[in-house]
Amino acid sequence: QSALTQPASVSGSPGQSITISCIGTNNDVGGYNYVSWYQQHPGKAPKLMIYGVSNRPSGISNRFSGSKSGTTASLTISGLQTDDEGDYYCTSYTGYSFWVFGGGTKVTVL
Amino acid sequence: QVQLIQSGVEVRKPGASVKVSCKASGYTFTNYGVTWVRQAPGQGLEWLGWFTAYSGNTKYAETLQGRVTMTTDTSTNTAYMELRSLKSDDTAVYFCARVAGNGDYYFDYWGQGTLVTVAS
Repeated sequence: QSALTQPASVSGSPGQSITISCIGTNNDVGGYNYVSWYQQHPGKAPKLMIYGVSNRPSGISNRFSGSKSGTTASLTISGLQTDDEGDYYCTSYTGYSFWVFGGGTKVTVL
Repeated sequence: QVQLIQSGVEVRKPGASVKVSCKASGYTFTNYGVTWVRQAPGQGLEWLGWFTAYSGNTKYAETLQGRVTMTTDTSTNTAYMELRSLKSDDTAVYFCARVAGNGDYYFDYWGQGTLVTVAS
């Protein structure tokens, strides 16, 4: 199972919006509504930000939103803040009890 | 509150085995699966497999087939991941995470990570 494709880096100024893409196939992103997104700060465990393509867990700001079109999922961060800096990973359930991660995207707030 | 507490740093020589533990609390352990994910230094996340205590089913990533075993001890609410025939590129931080229930497929709570270093 190949990894999902994410841009290596995305940047934006405080207050701006950025979007991170996550490209898969019909065997993962395109075939299931089980895309989730995780934020990771250096030396820390990943943190769930979005599940089921577009659902936010309790406590996650509504500045984070998720969507999907075909085999591409997206995470949008609006009103960018300095503590949004970090690495972001998408993952998708692939059926048959397997998951696959994206390669990760480093978000920089300029 | 839900917590997953992992065992400490491990150092092994190539060819050896390592067993990492993940003790769960704050929820009914047998109602959820536990997955394992690793992160090599400076690299991204890699899914390794999962174990469901309620069904006893396991699935492992193809890259680790034959070298990894994931188990749970329901008497202590602890999940284990054993990796054998270690190689230098198994050096990574290993995370456990809870797999959300109710037919959902995402990882809602994570352990703090366990650094495993493989070096001669």
